[in-house]
Amino acid sequence: GENVEQHPSTLSVQEGDSAVIKCTYSDSASNYFPWYKQELGKRPQLIIDIRSNVGEKKDQRIAVTLNKTAKHFSLHITETQPEDSAVYFCAANRRRDDKIIFGKGTRLHILP
Amino acid sequence: SAVISQKPSRDICQRGTSLTIQCQVDSQVTMMFWYRQQPGQSLTLIATANQGSEATYESGFVIDKFPISRPNLTFSTLTVSNMSPEDSSIYLCSVEGRSQGYGYTFGSGTRLTVV
Repeated sequence: GENVEQHPSTLSVQEGDSAVIKCTYSDSASNYFPWYKQELGKRPQLIIDIRSNVGEKKDQRIAVTLNKTAKHFSLHITETQPEDSAVYFCAANRRRDDKIIFGKGTRLHILP
Repeated sequence: SAVISQKPSRDICQRGTSLTIQCQVDSQVTMMFWYRQQPGQSLTLIATANQGSEATYESGFVIDKFPISRPNLTFSTLTVSNMSPEDSSIYLCSVEGRSQGYGYTFGSGTRLTVV
């Protein structure tokens, strides 16, 4: 079946440095790739998404890149801050019914 | 994006009992989705609640265990039936954004503990 692989499962970076989280997807027909941030005890929040007709999208310190040929996409956070500490989930739509399938998540720690 | 109210926020239940979770959206939506998030894990889609028709379930989830209602375009319920400790999890409802298939928004979740 369709699945989304996410790496790494845990990531620690110094405050101010950049963080990169990578995902691959199996459904070559997927065309929508959202990223969610989940803080402890809270609901997942959509932070950025990209559709397959573009290769990159930026929103302030956050950017997402998409390589359709290789079927992978990445989240880039620059100038990390303590409030960036959270679990991040990548996801992709399952094209046959447009349902969203999630990766296993990356726990990001921002070190002081 | 839509505003979703989900309740209860948490509950502790005895094994063998059932719990019904409610999800209310502030606007009409075609589909509502129910996810499960086990402790420290990802979000797994349980089923899609369709107004006017039966819910569609993902592999590994069955209607007898997770009956779903969708009486109108703003409301849905998920029941966790005959609970066991393995059902302890966070259950979240979700709806699409303004564009169909995009921008899913989640409710605040129901933290269920089965003892």
